[in-house]
Amino acid sequence: ETGVTQTPRHLVMGMTNKKSLKCEQHLGHNAMYWYKQSAKKPLELMFVYNFKEQTENNSVPSRFSPECPNSSHLFLHLHTLQPEDSALYLCASSQDRGWQGYHEQYFGPGTRLTVT
Amino acid sequence: GQQLNQSPQSMFIQEGEDVSMNCTSSSIFNTWLWYKQDPGEGPVLLIALYKAGELTSNGRLTAQFGITRKDSFLNISASIPSDVGIYFCAGQPEYGNKLVFGAGTILRVKS
Repeated sequence: ETGVTQTPRHLVMGMTNKKSLKCEQHLGHNAMYWYKQSAKKPLELMFVYNFKEQTENNSVPSRFSPECPNSSHLFLHLHTLQPEDSALYLCASSQDRGWQGYHEQYFGPGTRLTVT
Repeated sequence: GQQLNQSPQSMFIQEGEDVSMNCTSSSIFNTWLWYKQDPGEGPVLLIALYKAGELTSNGRLTAQFGITRKDSFLNISASIPSDVGIYFCAGQPEYGNKLVFGAGTILRVKS
């Protein structure tokens, strides 16, 4: 138990569906992240939120839409996805230390997404 | 640039053996982190390193922050079957505040 929870753990969706992934952190952190993990590739950073403000969008297609209503919750809204978007989507949180950077990130268990 | 080269890509070792893996870069890093990921789960932080030359242990795991600040090593002593998984290094570059991840080392243990 890392203090970061994600739901659902598994999701199968068609290309025309709309779904959302949810992440919640119980660590009192002020930064949250979405990563995509595909087989045999390094983790790909998608979005970063710091104090609820989006500070990073790593050239992610608009069919992925993040939302951060407060510093404990993070959503990833999905619509009209492609089969190549099938992957493990990981949420993480950390404490932003300003110029010293984000330091340790703590990950949730991930959502295994399959797009059919 | 800020890429991390993690090696080996995979290891298949006998239970009880020691394991060593490393991450290298051509850039300087301020922080090194080592994670382990079990199948179907997210990465779990094992060890965090903040100073060049720092050597830190967590049970049978020992990691070092290279003195050049361009590399880090993780050693596992007396491996056991539950050590199987994927081990990732991650680093915070000297310039920039995003973590950069290695591609992972897959560890398999024969009992």
